[in-house]
Amino acid sequence: GESVGLHLPTLSVQEGDNSIINCAYSNSASDYFIWYKQESGKGPQFIIDIRSNMDKRQGQRVTVLLNKTVKHLSLQIAATQPGDSAVYFCAEDNNAGNMLTFGGGTRLMVKP
Amino acid sequence: DTGVSQDPRHKITKRGQNVTFRCDPISEHNRLYWYRQTLGQGPEFLTYFQNEAQLEKSRLLSDRFSAERPKGSFSTLEIQRTEQGDSAMYLCASSGGDTQYFGPGTRLTVL
Repeated sequence: GESVGLHLPTLSVQEGDNSIINCAYSNSASDYFIWYKQESGKGPQFIIDIRSNMDKRQGQRVTVLLNKTVKHLSLQIAATQPGDSAVYFCAEDNNAGNMLTFGGGTRLMVKP
Repeated sequence: DTGVSQDPRHKITKRGQNVTFRCDPISEHNRLYWYRQTLGQGPEFLTYFQNEAQLEKSRLLSDRFSAERPKGSFSTLEIQRTEQGDSAMYLCASSGGDTQYFGPGTRLTVL
């Protein structure tokens, strides 16, 4: 079936560097995408979202890029901090607002 | 705290027992979702309510699982005759629009 997936299961970066987490999706009908951050023992925390009519959206230290041609989504974190260490999930709305389809997650490890 | 809350945070039970979890959504959010998450995986959709109506159920929701949202506010998820394979984190989310906001989850361990 159609699903959302991630290229890299673990990403290790130096504190202060920029991080890029990638995600591929297969449902061309999806029109809404969300990035969540999940720390150990906690629920997913909303980071940023983007609609399919946009290519880029910026938040505080985070940017999401959407390439509909190749069905690719990325999350960029600027000046990565130790507090950014977590598992990051991209999620895809099924175009009916009823449920999210999540990928397997990327673990971000920030080295001091 | 005005976020999504879940109770209990942890539940340990013996195989064959029934368990019930509660979710209190963000006030005035009309949509409420239940997901299940196993270690190292992303959350998987279980079911969805709009107000008190249960509008969608995943095939993951076997007949041992039942969810209710009787007054369109809090919701309960019951698992009957628990099995070891039910061990997981059960997450609740709510939304008033497109974005779903998640609670802290209930960690279920079935011995």
